[in-house]
Amino acid sequence: KNQVEQSPQSLIILEGKNCTLQCNYTVSPFSNLRWYKQDTGRGPVSLTIMTFSENTKSNGRYTATLDADTKQSSLHITASQLSDSASYICVVSAGSGGSNYKLTFGKGTLLTVNP
Amino acid sequence: ETGVTQTPRHLVMGMTNKKSLKCEQHLGHNAMYWYKQSAKKPLELMFVYNFKEQTENNSVPSRFSPECPNSSHLFLHLHTLQPEDSALYLCASSQDDGRRANYGYTFGSGTRLTVV
Repeated sequence: KNQVEQSPQSLIILEGKNCTLQCNYTVSPFSNLRWYKQDTGRGPVSLTIMTFSENTKSNGRYTATLDADTKQSSLHITASQLSDSASYICVVSAGSGGSNYKLTFGKGTLLTVNP
Repeated sequence: ETGVTQTPRHLVMGMTNKKSLKCEQHLGHNAMYWYKQSAKKPLELMFVYNFKEQTENNSVPSRFSPECPNSSHLFLHLHTLQPEDSALYLCASSQDDGRRANYGYTFGSGTRLTVV
């Protein structure tokens, strides 16, 4: 069964600090991995998407890494801001071709950035 | 705005009411999706439409009835819901052409549904 596990479940940090969120997956066959940011009461917004051959991708202060061998990904947030307070969701896409791609969602990590 | 617009943003309905959620995408995508998001649970895929045809129904109760009149519009008709159906309902769209996996997967802002 395809699964995506995220840790920690929640995290509180001070403004300006860095943090790293983790994602472990058992999805096969792997197609790509995405990180989404979801503000409270809003829809998820894509931060990064990585395929099998990519091991790091940045989007401003967000840097995602992917280790396809160990099936792990991390999202590193640098110099956090109050607006980074949100839920961060790891999503893995499985599929080997055609249009039969399936997304498996993690439960998310709830990040709170305090002043 | 993400290019996927959902209305209404908030909805409170009684268990005997009939209401509809609307989703519209302006991205030229061919696939549209309905998801349910409950507290502390992963997003649950409900329905998938590709070129207006329903391609997936994840054992969703019949009190939820989707409608896709064209590739840009998606509705979710609600009838005799239960309190446990209260959740954030998200619409998404993507370009699914068989060569790229869910290219440009984009979510709307969701409808917060409360069933009383």
